[in-house]
Amino acid sequence: AQTVTQSQPEMSVQEAETVTLSCTYDTSESDYYLFWYKQPPSRQMILVIRQEAYKQQNATENRFSVNFQKAAKSFSLKISDSQLGDAAMYFCAYNQAGTALIFGKGTTLSVSS
Amino acid sequence: DADVTQTPRNRITKTGKRIMLECSQTKGHDRMYWYRQDPGLGLRLIYYSFDVKDINKGEISDGYSVSRQAQAKFSLSLESAIPNQTALYFCATSESGAGGLYNEQFFGPGTRLTVL
Repeated sequence: AQTVTQSQPEMSVQEAETVTLSCTYDTSESDYYLFWYKQPPSRQMILVIRQEAYKQQNATENRFSVNFQKAAKSFSLKISDSQLGDAAMYFCAYNQAGTALIFGKGTTLSVSS
Repeated sequence: DADVTQTPRNRITKTGKRIMLECSQTKGHDRMYWYRQDPGLGLRLIYYSFDVKDINKGEISDGYSVSRQAQAKFSLSLESAIPNQTALYFCATSESGAGGLYNEQFFGPGTRLTVL
């Protein structure tokens, strides 16, 4: 069975600095998808970034980028120029085409001014 | 208007009561999911449905049942609520098909359920 592990329950960063959230996963499949979701205090689940396993290029969305290491089964999220609005719970998730998501336990990110 | 809605947004109930959480979507998606979020555990899959006639159990289906009344509606029921079902419940939808954008799931705002 596939699993997703987030080893950092809590992280903190100062405004304008860069922070990296870690995620590892376990799967025997070669074709799959990885996601980072953000959950602010409003509790809404917001998709931050998506990576297709068949793509070698790391995904980037504005200040958010990933470091996808397929052989190491690692999928970290880098947030550059951190802002107060980035404070939230972040979930790493995995799925294969059209299936339900498997989530990690989450990392709470706090941002200080 | 929100594409995926959940009612109620918050609910407090007592042990042994039957309760239904409802999910509606206007995205036209075939696939719908119910997840449960507990502190420190992330989100876990309860049930999912790939179309009106297809319903499947997820990782933690015990104590829950679902009904897919139409393509746009997917309800989760707790037949006899117990305190350890206190959690945040999310409905999500996705398109059918495989690959690329078809894998994105769209979440409702969540229902906070407390069982006393």
